[in-house]
Amino acid sequence: DIQMTQSPSSLSGSVGDRVTITCQASQDISKFLNWYQQKPGKAPKLLIYDASNLETGVPSRFSGSRSGTDFTFTISSLQPEDIATYHCQQYDNLPWTFGQGTKVEIK
Amino acid sequence: EVQLVESGGGLVQPGGSLRLSCAASGFTFSSYSMNWVRQAPGKGLEWVSYIASRGSAIYYADSVKGRFTISRDNAKHSLYLQMNSLRAEDTAVYYCAGGSDSSGYFVYWGQGTLVTVSS
Repeated sequence: DIQMTQSPSSLSGSVGDRVTITCQASQDISKFLNWYQQKPGKAPKLLIYDASNLETGVPSRFSGSRSGTDFTFTISSLQPEDIATYHCQQYDNLPWTFGQGTKVEIK
Repeated sequence: EVQLVESGGGLVQPGGSLRLSCAASGFTFSSYSMNWVRQAPGKGLEWVSYIASRGSAIYYADSVKGRFTISRDNAKHSLYLQMNSLRAEDTAVYYCAGGSDSSGYFVYWGQGTLVTVSS
């Protein structure tokens, strides 16, 4: 199975901060990496697909990039409504696997 | 408005069975592959099973293979998960999630149903 190592497990930022989360795949997964946002008690929501494509209706402060097997998710200006847990997910190979999640909080 | 509504969760004893359902509306259900994804309390997400839009392909995580069966009824816009030989480690919120046959990202999600396996 492909292991997705996501870091950090949690972070705290101020409103307006630039926030970065990384996900490293245990092998080449090409561009097949997605990012989801999950607010407390809610279902996940797709934000970014295929490493860098913004899902329709998602604010442009969210972005994703890829460098080899390393993937980066960025919130350019943290907003109070961005408080959530963020998950990466690969779909290059079955079983599709998720990272451990990153909990984002406001200072 | 897209809606996926899961039902059928509850408390079951180890070794028992449960059948989850997911009712879809607001999109062309028969054009989308469907999945079950679960989340144990306080844990991350785990993909469980996939079924293609026409049911032509089915996949399972090793942790549930041989115990769980995914199925769908496109005429009823419904997805199912038959869960047998349940174990304590199957305790989780189960989400149905929809995507395209050609990709593995989940565009539509239900609100989840809690399955608790305990004596």
